[in-house]
Amino acid sequence: SAVISQKPSRDICQRGTSLTIQCQVDSQVTMMFWYRQQPGQSLTLIATANQGSEATYESGFVIDKFPISRPNLTFSTLTVSNMSPEDSSIYLCSVAEVNEQYFGPGTRLTVT
Amino acid sequence: GQQLNQSPQSMFIQEGEDVSMNCTSSSIFNTWLWYKQEPGEGPVLLIALYKAGELTSNGRLTAQFGITRKDSFLNISASIPSDVGIYFCAGQLSGATNKLIFGTGTLLAVQP
Repeated sequence: SAVISQKPSRDICQRGTSLTIQCQVDSQVTMMFWYRQQPGQSLTLIATANQGSEATYESGFVIDKFPISRPNLTFSTLTVSNMSPEDSSIYLCSVAEVNEQYFGPGTRLTVT
Repeated sequence: GQQLNQSPQSMFIQEGEDVSMNCTSSSIFNTWLWYKQEPGEGPVLLIALYKAGELTSNGRLTAQFGITRKDSFLNISASIPSDVGIYFCAGQLSGATNKLIFGTGTLLAVQP
């Protein structure tokens, strides 16, 4: 399976600021996704990162709040904009290989 | 976002005991995946199921794709302390390209 890394692994940010999270894969993949895992909760899909076109967002998530870039088949970024304490979560990227999906280690974000 | 019903919510068992957990949905799924997440890590794929009625093993883990395609089961035999973690089921809906819906999770604690 693909090896996925994320940067940063964790961060503490002030409310009102923005943080960009990077996801790097060691091989070219067609499908990349971004998930949010709120404290003590399950995973919720934020969006599908499409290479060369705008991301596809799930209900409840908007591009102004979570802009995503996908410049090539091995890299994507997620920005959490104008952060509030409610954005404190683990943000995970994943890649699909056929019908299986593999996850990165996550970025633990705390907003104060 | 939509989530699958997963039970039990938590389990506290003695080392050597067998464990069973399940996921149910009102929707039909094409694929069921089972993940384990340890503290500070992303979810790790344990087992993937692709056909109704399929029974698949991975070491001491066995999972089944329900006949109705609306449920799945995971069994762990002879539990050991390193089985500790949160187990998530995830289903892929028919026609939804690689998008996963996650269960609410089962927290497993194993006492030596």
